[in-house]
Amino acid sequence: LAKTTQPISMDSYEGQEVNITCSHNNIATNDYITWYQQFPSQGPRFIIQGYKTKVTNEVASLFIPADRKSSTLSLPRVSLSDTAVYYCLVDDKAAGNKLTFGGGTRVLVKP
Amino acid sequence: DVKVTQSSRYLVKRTGEKVFLECVQDMDHENMFWYRQDPGLGLRLIYFSYDVKMKEKGDIPEGYSVSREKKERFSLILESASTNQTSMYLCASRVTSGTGELFFGEGSRLTVL
Repeated sequence: LAKTTQPISMDSYEGQEVNITCSHNNIATNDYITWYQQFPSQGPRFIIQGYKTKVTNEVASLFIPADRKSSTLSLPRVSLSDTAVYYCLVDDKAAGNKLTFGGGTRVLVKP
Repeated sequence: DVKVTQSSRYLVKRTGEKVFLECVQDMDHENMFWYRQDPGLGLRLIYFSYDVKMKEKGDIPEGYSVSREKKERFSLILESASTNQTSMYLCASRVTSGTGELFFGEGSRLTVL
C-alpha cells in the first residue's frame, strides 16, 4: 500500500514561497497524487492533483519527479491566510477505494 | 455548488448511548468515507462505501458500524459510545475510484461524557 511521509510542521513568512515535500516510495504506476488544505474546524479541501512532471493552478504548483517517489507542493508568496495543515494523498488503486491520509504538514505563516 | 452535509456540528452524548452521525451528499457520488480526526493523529479512516449497501473497513473500524441504504446518505453508528470516541468526525465523498477529488463536510464534533 502506498504510504506517505511529510514533515510535521514548517514555518514561513508572508510573501515567501513554501515548498512541502511528500515521500511516497511505494506509489504504483496508475496512482495519482493529491494535496488537500485544512483550516481549523473545517473539512479538508482539494488544492491540486498530479500524475507526473508539473501541474499548476491558480493557488499552487505540484512538482513530481520522474520516479514519482515524492512530490512537492509549492505555495507561491504565502499570506497569513495560508496557515493551515496540508495533506498529501496517494490514490492507491491497489487498495481499492481505501483512501488513507498521512499525518499532514502544519504550515504557520508569520507576519 | 457541490455539497456534503453532516447532520450535526456539535453533539454531546453519554457513555453507552447509541449515536448516529449522518452524512448526505448531493453530487451522486459513488464513494463515501468516514474519518475521525484527533490532535496529532491526522485523519484516520473508519469506514468507506463504494456503492449502496456496500461497506469496507478502514484503518480503525472497532466500535463503529455504518449504513448506506441510499446512494446519497452514509451513516456512522456508535453502538455504545465511549469516552475515547470523543473526536471530530469528517465525512467525505467522491465519484468512483480514480482521480476524483474528495469533498468533505464541515465535520461533527462529538463529545462523550
